[in-house]
Amino acid sequence: DVKVTQSSRYLVKRTGEKVFLECVQDMDHENMFWYRQDPGLGLRLIYFSYDVKMKEKGDIPEGYSVSREKKERFSLILESASTNQTSMYLCATGGWDNEQFFGPGTRLTVL
Amino acid sequence: DQQVKQNSPSLSVQEGRISILNCDYTNSMFDYFLWYKKYPAEGPTFLISISSIKDKNEDGRFTVFLNKSAKHLSLHIVPSQPGDSAVYFCAASVPSGGSYIPTFGRGTSLIVHP
Repeated sequence: DVKVTQSSRYLVKRTGEKVFLECVQDMDHENMFWYRQDPGLGLRLIYFSYDVKMKEKGDIPEGYSVSREKKERFSLILESASTNQTSMYLCATGGWDNEQFFGPGTRLTVL
Repeated sequence: DQQVKQNSPSLSVQEGRISILNCDYTNSMFDYFLWYKKYPAEGPTFLISISSIKDKNEDGRFTVFLNKSAKHLSLHIVPSQPGDSAVYFCAASVPSGGSYIPTFGRGTSLIVHP
């Protein structure tokens, strides 16, 4: 079974703080993705990576950066958190076919 | 502009009846379509998929139909069960750099009443 874990289920941060969200997968998948889910807006792709040290912007990369130093770990960084980044953040992983495996999500609140 | 549209934010169905969830897309380059199911406080899980070379794929109670000319796909759940109550996301993907990058719809919340 694919396991995708995220460092926190719930996180509360203050405006301007630097926030790290970590995702780890144990299935040796090449591709990893970060999404945010907001009510009425579905899943929106922030960044993805298809290899170590490789990253590609998704649909809404502004205000975010990512890091992939090891194949199993993909980090999402909010350089200076803002209230409009309050959201559910979902990490996903996938091989070279289409199916994605999602982590449980991190509910981030920025005050 | 949305490339994948789920025009019904919610759907309510009686247990035992058929649930039909619809999805429309605009990009004719999409060649693979997937449905994911999401319970509250959990990540989405893959449900069923279909390639653009097919018009139907069935897995137990779940069937996905694809109408390429209409750029429309639908998910049928028969019979519906209360445990099917969840948010369903339609996704469509194109190959990009050897991988497939999906575009998700906004989701349809299905409620199955006992």
